[in-house]
This record gives sequence, C-alpha cells and structure tokens, in this order.
Amino acid sequence: RKEVEQDPGPFNVPEGATVAFNCTYSNSASQSFFWYRQDCRKEPKLLMSVYSSGNEDGRFTAQLNRASQYISLLIRDSKLSDSATYLCVVKGYSTLTFGKGTMLLVSP
Amino acid sequence: EPEVTQTPSHQVTQMGQEVILRCVPISNHLYFYWYRQILGQKVEFLVSFYNNEISEKSEIFDDQFSVERPDGSNFTLKIRSTKLEDSAMYFCASRVAGGYTDTQYFGPGTRLTVL
Repeated sequence: RKEVEQDPGPFNVPEGATVAFNCTYSNSASQSFFWYRQDCRKEPKLLMSVYSSGNEDGRFTAQLNRASQYISLLIRDSKLSDSATYLCVVKGYSTLTFGKGTMLLVSP
Repeated sequence: EPEVTQTPSHQVTQMGQEVILRCVPISNHLYFYWYRQILGQKVEFLVSFYNNEISEKSEIFDDQFSVERPDGSNFTLKIRSTKLEDSAMYFCASRVAGGYTDTQYFGPGTRLTVL
C-alpha cells in the first residue's frame, strides 16, 4: 500500500516550459500537505505548503483536492535551476510521509 | 538564517558496530525528528521527540535504535549494532511547536555506510 504516490519521471522540459506534477495520498485523515524539493544527495527543502483553496508562490502553484486525495504542483517558465526531485509530502498529527519524488530535468 | 546542523557528514562503520549520529536543531525549536533515506528510495520517518521523550516512532525504529537529548542543544540517534541495511542518509529535522502546518527544517544529513 503506497501512502503517497507520485510519477517518478523524469520529466525532461526545455527552459521556459510549464510542467505539472501530481500526487495522490491514501490517508484521508491527513492534516496538511507540502511540496519539498530535493537536490541530488541533499536534504529536502520546503518549496511550499498546499492549501485547500490553492496557493501560488511566484512561478509555483499548488492545488489540493481533499475529496480525491490529490495534490498538484505547477511550475511555469521553468528555469535550469528548477532541475531537482519534487517530493509530495503529507502530514498527519506530527510526522511527515514522503512520496518517492518526481524528477525534473530542465534543459537549455 | 538559523539552520539544523548534523555531524559527521559521512560515517563509515563495520557491521555490528555502534554509531552515534549527532544533530543540533534550531535553537528555539521544540520538536525533533529523525528520518532516513536509503539510496534511490523515499525519505522515511524514524522517530519524533518532544519534551525529552519519544512521541512517535515507526516500525523501522526497533530496539537497535535510540535517541537522546543529552544537553540543551544536541539531539542524537544511536544505532547499537549496525547492519548492512542501515546504510542510508539520515536526516535530522526540527520545528517550533504547535499547529499542523509548522514547517519541519531538515539538516544536511549524515551518510552512513555500513561495510
């Protein structure tokens, strides 16, 4: 039983492209939701929290559909520096449950 | 900007040996966590610690593992008798307190290699 499921990718896109990642989670009691970014062999770093109403931070937009247990991340105008693995993360009371991540490769 | 620090960055040990991984959480944080990530796999929760006791642990966190906050700044993870399958990146994290949306900040990790 996969608790947080993501397409592993890789997604290969050119600079300037728009790319979308999806994630599903199995625990309907999950309290909060996040997208983290992880560079190769580095620690996860919070990209953004995800709210039911949807939220945007610059080029990044996150959406949550609690009924479908589905989370998305949209990246507009991709930069080379966006190349990383994007982790969908779900939180219960305290602990974080991570997806395996979706790899994004942005090329010139 | 305050950050979580971890030492050592890389630890190599022989199977059966004890290792202690060290973390210094952000100073005003009250909740502490250990996670691990086996190469190529997802990040997995090990244990959470609050008010000087374990608040939650996963099935990975068996009797071979223990955590301690020996003083006001350090938070340690001990593996008593390492196995080959303990080879992984171990991340410490901390957060302030309260609320479901408080961010957990991760340290840079310790890469543990068991030979």
